[in-house]
Parts: sequence; structure tokens; C-alpha cells
Amino acid sequence: GEDVEQSLFLSVREGDSSVINCTYTDSSSTYLYWYKQEPGAGLQLLTYIFSNMDMKQDQRLTVLLNKKDKHLSLRIADTQTGDSAIYFCAGANDYKLSFGAGTTVTVRA
Amino acid sequence: GAVVSQHPSWVICKSGTSVKIECRSLDFQATTMFWYRQFPKQSLMLMATSNEGSKATYEQGVEKDKFLINHASLTLSTLTVTSAHPEDSSFYICSASLQGAKNGYTFGSGTRLTVV
Repeated sequence: GEDVEQSLFLSVREGDSSVINCTYTDSSSTYLYWYKQEPGAGLQLLTYIFSNMDMKQDQRLTVLLNKKDKHLSLRIADTQTGDSAIYFCAGANDYKLSFGAGTTVTVRA
Repeated sequence: GAVVSQHPSWVICKSGTSVKIECRSLDFQATTMFWYRQFPKQSLMLMATSNEGSKATYEQGVEKDKFLINHASLTLSTLTVTSAHPEDSSFYICSASLQGAKNGYTFGSGTRLTVV
């Protein structure tokens, strides 16, 4: 299966940009996703990118995919306190999702 | 669209009893649903894939007799934790997909199970 790795923690000042990085091992992943999880809640799909794309932008979110290096990143512009959460990247091979360990993002005033 | 409802959101049960968790796709039909388990401060671990009208597919190391999955309709899958023990305490999350991977997978809000 897919091995997905993420840095565990990120602290960012309110209003700055956040960049969360992820690396994966299986180049056959068709789709790559970013999910957000708030305490005690399920996962909310933020965005996803198809494997033949390099970049996808959706309002404050920008996803960059470097397929050669198997590196995925999520940039959150103008980070707000409501963005504090755990962010998971995941790869889909066929129908199975493989998740990274999650990056805890803390937004400080 | 693509809303997944999961109930209950939390449950406390005594050791030795069984607990049923429901996962419903509210506005779409899901032939396949997925059950995950999440330990504190850890990632999600896929337990099994629930297939409508047929047996679930369990991941390696997951006891099928312990975690019974039933997917009797296109909108409902249930996970029953049988003879629960404290080590079964965890956060259980289901997910389903509308039209496959290209639309992403929608997750339920999760169920916090505590076995005392």
C-alpha cells in the first residue's frame, strides 16, 4: 500500500500563509487529497488533485504536486484561527485511501 | 450533496456488551462504504470495506468476528463491535464516495466508543 508521510506540527501566525508538506511512495495514486479534522469530528474534504495536474487553486487553498519527487503540499493563504486543526494528506489507489499521520496546525494571534 | 451521517456520535458501554454504529449516505447511494479506526493523535486505519449485498472485505489484522459489518441497503452500513473490551475504545469513522475517487470520499462525523 501507499506510505504517506507528513510533518507533525506547524505553528503559524494569523494572517500568514501556512504550507503543509506531504510525501508519498506509490506513484500510481490517481488522486491525492487534503482533509481537515477538527477535535472530535470527522474528516472534511478540503480539496484534491488529479495525479496529472501540477497545481490546483481553490480560494485560499493551493495544492502543488511534484510527481517526480512524490511531494504534495497544501498552502493556506491568510491563515485564520478557524484553520487550526489537523490536516491529513491521502492518496487513493483504486478505492483505498492511505493517510498520512496528520499535521497539527496551530494558528497564533 | 454527498452527506454521510454517522450515529451515535459517542457511546459508553460495559465490557462484554455489543455496540452498533450506523453510517448512512443521506443524499446518494453508496455501494461501497469504508470503516476506519483512529487512535488518539494518530492517523486513520482502514478496518474494512463494506459492500452492499455482499460480505465485507477486512484489512489484515482486523478480526471479522469482532467487528461485524452489514451493508444491507445502498444507504446504510453498520459496524457492530461485539463483546467489547476496553482496548476497543477508539474513534470509529465511516466514509463513502459519490461516483468514486474523483469526487473524493465523504466522512461521517465519527463515533467515540468508550468501553468501561
